[in-house]
Amino acid sequence: GQNIDQPTEMTATEGAIVQINCTYQTSGFNGLFWYQQHAGEAPTFLSYNVLDGLEEKGRFSSFLSRSKGYSYLLLKELQMKDSASYLCAVTDGDYKLSFGAGTTVTVRA
Amino acid sequence: ETGVTQTPRHLVMGMTNKKSLKCEQHLGHNAMYWYKQSAKKPLELMFVYSLEERVENNSVPSRFSPECPNSSHLFLHLHTLQPEDSALYLCASSPRLEGNYEQYFGPGTRLTVT
Repeated sequence: GQNIDQPTEMTATEGAIVQINCTYQTSGFNGLFWYQQHAGEAPTFLSYNVLDGLEEKGRFSSFLSRSKGYSYLLLKELQMKDSASYLCAVTDGDYKLSFGAGTTVTVRA
Repeated sequence: ETGVTQTPRHLVMGMTNKKSLKCEQHLGHNAMYWYKQSAKKPLELMFVYSLEERVENNSVPSRFSPECPNSSHLFLHLHTLQPEDSALYLCASSPRLEGNYEQYFGPGTRLTVT
């Protein structure tokens, strides 16, 4: 089976940094995705990691440790528009994406 | 139109009604997916199609019936639903049926069963 855990909610101040952790236990692994979903909207792709290490894309970075079954998404210089749900998803190498329940990030002024 | 579109965006139906959800992708992708998203729960994969052939039926009740007439269109036919089927139904597509491709999601249909 697949088990993907991430915190339910996080709150941070505008301009700050927030780190969203994701741990996974899956029968197979061929990469980990992060998606952003604003309320009432479609999830949109943020990042994909398949090798260990840090991938940086502007204000957002994603880290993966395959040996630890662990990833995090780092959001820097938080803006109000970053208030959203962040979904961690693991692909088993076939076509199936297994999702975590999502982390709702609230950015306060 | 670009990306993945879904209609209707909101749907309220009684338990005895029959309705259909429509998804269309304008990306030239070969794979399409239906997901169910309930509050505070992970997205649940329901059905997967590759080049109009169903490759996954994830133990979904028969009151949900998918149809993929071509690689750009995907339908979810609904009949005799239960209140617990109320959820956001998301359609997605990807270039091919391989797990390392990003999936592109539509905005979803918010379904309420009364």
